[in-house]
Amino acid sequence: GAGVSQSPSNKVTEKGKDVELRCDPISGHTALYWYRQSLGQGLEFLIYFQGNSAPDKSGLPSDRFSAERTGGSVSTLTIQRTQQEDSAVYLCASSSYLTDTQYFGPGTRLTVL
Amino acid sequence: AQSVTQLDSQVPVFEEAPVELRCNYSSSVSVYLFWYVQYPNQGLQLLLKYLSGSTLVESINGFEAEFNKSQTSFHLRKPSVHISDTAEYFCAARAGSNYKLTFGKGTLLTVNP
Repeated sequence: GAGVSQSPSNKVTEKGKDVELRCDPISGHTALYWYRQSLGQGLEFLIYFQGNSAPDKSGLPSDRFSAERTGGSVSTLTIQRTQQEDSAVYLCASSSYLTDTQYFGPGTRLTVL
Repeated sequence: AQSVTQLDSQVPVFEEAPVELRCNYSSSVSVYLFWYVQYPNQGLQLLLKYLSGSTLVESINGFEAEFNKSQTSFHLRKPSVHISDTAEYFCAARAGSNYKLTFGKGTLLTVNP
């Protein structure tokens, strides 16, 4: 079956611009996660969705970051007024309540110039 | 807070040699443990996981890991590596009552001919 998909695969933007990153989880997976992978920080948790609600947003690095999920499926991570330190690979993962395994998408590589 | 430590950032080995990638975790509650692999320019793939039951878990491509509660370790081993095993390996932990994964910094395994 189809895995987790993310778009775009690469995004280059200028400092100060807003960007939106999209994640399509595996069909039927109720839980969705966003992580960030950067050279200095490794893999960091950002936010977790159960259905459409986000019980834990504690990993979001600043109020410039927000995420939403609609219809219990697609999620969008928005970064406003991007900064160079936002450059990283943004990874999305999903899991079903029946398993404890998170399956990852290929990621979106964000470069802020 | 939970933490995962991968003691070696890089491990170079020759083809057909054995390898051990070390991982230690800290958690005062029951924990689920995972190894993910990231091949060059690809996303994270689940290699193997420990949820409960037998403390020795195996992957389909010859890797194995053993959950050692007393030593809080989950080291990854393979008796004979191939050049195609060259990748970055991430150990991750999830507390039993939690949902987000905490990752180690990763170990770059380079298999040389």
